[in-house]
Amino acid sequence: ETGVTQTPRHLVMGMTNKKSLKCEQHLGHNAMYWYKQSAKKPLELMFVYNFKEQTENNSVPSRFSPECPNSSHLFLHLHTLQPEDSALYLCASSQGFSYVKSTEAFFGQGTRLTVV
Amino acid sequence: KQEVTQIPAALSVPEGENLVLNCSFTDSAIYNLQWFRQDPGKGLTSLLLIQSSQREQTSGRLNASLDKSSGRSTLYIAASQPGDSATYLCAVKASGANSKLTFGKGITLSVRP
Repeated sequence: ETGVTQTPRHLVMGMTNKKSLKCEQHLGHNAMYWYKQSAKKPLELMFVYNFKEQTENNSVPSRFSPECPNSSHLFLHLHTLQPEDSALYLCASSQGFSYVKSTEAFFGQGTRLTVV
Repeated sequence: KQEVTQIPAALSVPEGENLVLNCSFTDSAIYNLQWFRQDPGKGLTSLLLIQSSQREQTSGRLNASLDKSSGRSTLYIAASQPGDSATYLCAVKASGANSKLTFGKGITLSVRP
């Protein structure tokens, strides 16, 4: 248990569906991240939030829409996805700023998404 | 642009062997380097974090070293066990605590009983 919880663990959705992934951390971290992990590829950073503000969007298509209502929760809203969006979506959190010595990242268990 | 390379992509060893997993990165201006373990279909578990000012970190049978100037890190696993079988990922954070992690593709380790 890393302190970062993702739900659901598995999701199958049609290309016309709308669904949301949820991430929650109670580690007191102020930075949260969404990563995509596809087979045979390195983890790809999608979004970064610091103190609820989006600080990075790594050229992610608009069919992925993040939301960070507070420092403990992060959502990824999905709509009109494509089959190639099927992947493991990982959430992570860390202390984002340099006054904290350690910026170790902690990851959730991921949501295995299949788009049919 | 930072690139992280882990070679080989897969490794199979007999139980009890000491082994070294390698990681190289192209930009030596890093803030820290982190080793993770990932079991199939699961999330990442942080193993060791080395700050840029450190040379190594140890946790149990694991030892990670960092040579920033040559852009290399190694993860040493002593007396390997079948339970060590997993994918090991190396990630570097660029200078500035607020920057992103860049990951390698990982090394899939299989420890044979």
